[in-house]
Amino acid sequence: SQTIHQWPATLVQPVGSPLSLECTVEGTSNPNLYWYRQAAGRGLQLLFYSVGIGQISSEVPQNLSASRPQDRQFILSSKKLLLSDSGFYLCAWRAGQAGRETQYFGPGTRLLVL
Amino acid sequence: AQSVTQPDIHITVSEGASLELRCNYSYGATPYLFWYVQSPGQGLQLLLKYFSGDTLVQGIKGFEAEFKRSQSSFNLRKPSVHWSDAAEYFCAVGAGGGSYIPTFGRGTSLIVHP
Repeated sequence: SQTIHQWPATLVQPVGSPLSLECTVEGTSNPNLYWYRQAAGRGLQLLFYSVGIGQISSEVPQNLSASRPQDRQFILSSKKLLLSDSGFYLCAWRAGQAGRETQYFGPGTRLLVL
Repeated sequence: AQSVTQPDIHITVSEGASLELRCNYSYGATPYLFWYVQSPGQGLQLLLKYFSGDTLVQGIKGFEAEFKRSQSSFNLRKPSVHWSDAAEYFCAVGAGGGSYIPTFGRGTSLIVHP
């Protein structure tokens, strides 16, 4: 069966520091992968998605970037964190054949920027 | 463009009472519809999904949802709520193919009183 992991679970970083969040998927190949953010009291905001290695689409212009160095690995990065980057970051992958696509989510990473 | 509306930000019910969470969508064709649940500090867990066929869909944890095309709705129901059902609930609509990016509602927070 497929599983999705996110690391770390919790992170506290000072403003201006770099960021690297990792997402890995097991049990599937060439999945679509997604990064979402939840700010406190708000819904899901799609940040990036990827349909394959090295293929990244950005939904929201900001100081974050994403990379997909391996088929089942998706990384969210920043060179300099802002206070507004605080939030809950969720990775997701798309399962299912055409016409039966479903997203499944990882456990999330809580980021607090101080 | 597709959209999802969850008109209730918060819903409060007593334990053992019935529950209905509302979801209205806007989409030009037959939608794919989903309900997810998110406990505090956790990722989103898929409760149920609708692609086609029987409009009454059974999910996990005793939840069900009914697709009503005439009302553009996909309401989530449970006959008897347990205290452990307290969580955030998200409705989503998706369309097949391509990069597959579903649209999520803003969520409904369920509070369960003993």
